[in-house]
Amino acid sequence: KAGVTQTPRYLIKTRGQQVTLSCSPISGHRSVSWYQQTPGQGLQFLFEYFSETQRNKGNFPGRFSGRQFSNSRSEMNVSTLELGDSALYLCASGPGPRREETQYFGPGTRLLVL
Amino acid sequence: QKEVEQNSGPLSVPEGAIASLNCTYSDRGSQSFFWYRQYSGKSPELIMSIYSNGDKEDGRFTAQLNKASQYVSLLIRDSQPSDSATYLCAVNKGAQKLVFGQGTRLTINP
Repeated sequence: KAGVTQTPRYLIKTRGQQVTLSCSPISGHRSVSWYQQTPGQGLQFLFEYFSETQRNKGNFPGRFSGRQFSNSRSEMNVSTLELGDSALYLCASGPGPRREETQYFGPGTRLLVL
Repeated sequence: QKEVEQNSGPLSVPEGAIASLNCTYSDRGSQSFFWYRQYSGKSPELIMSIYSNGDKEDGRFTAQLNKASQYVSLLIRDSQPSDSATYLCAVNKGAQKLVFGQGTRLTINP
């Protein structure tokens, strides 16, 4: 079974631009979560989608948004990029909504904002 | 107080020894706990999940959970140089939201 895929893998943007990242979960998985990883803050939860509905959101500004499509693929968007948005953005997929279910991470998208 | 706390290390262990990694959490109602391994420049990879008090073994890895003490640990037996990585402890806060500790950097010395 193929794992979680994320595109693009690397991205360079300038301040003020916007960016869209894509995630395809493991086949059959319906939950997709997004995380930001930086050296200073570690891994932080952005939001989670299940069946096209956002069920949970982390403490990030409204510039960070996302959506999920009917095939469970998900996108996240960051508008008006700031230097501090430079990070590794990770997508994780899980089978469904239960708390004890395991999440599997994709390879990540490394975003550099100049 | 952080929700999930780990000693950032680095933790240095000789090859063949037991590596012990610890994690504490603040929410007494937490029910699901996970250990991930992350190599430099890579994404986190699941090692173990644990939900009940006690020990759970998988090969060279043993996860231990003590809900009364709000403590989770990971033991790696017969440590190998390939075990050198950052180990992340995570707690599920509901609706697939994982809260991570800062990670413990482990180095296995040949």
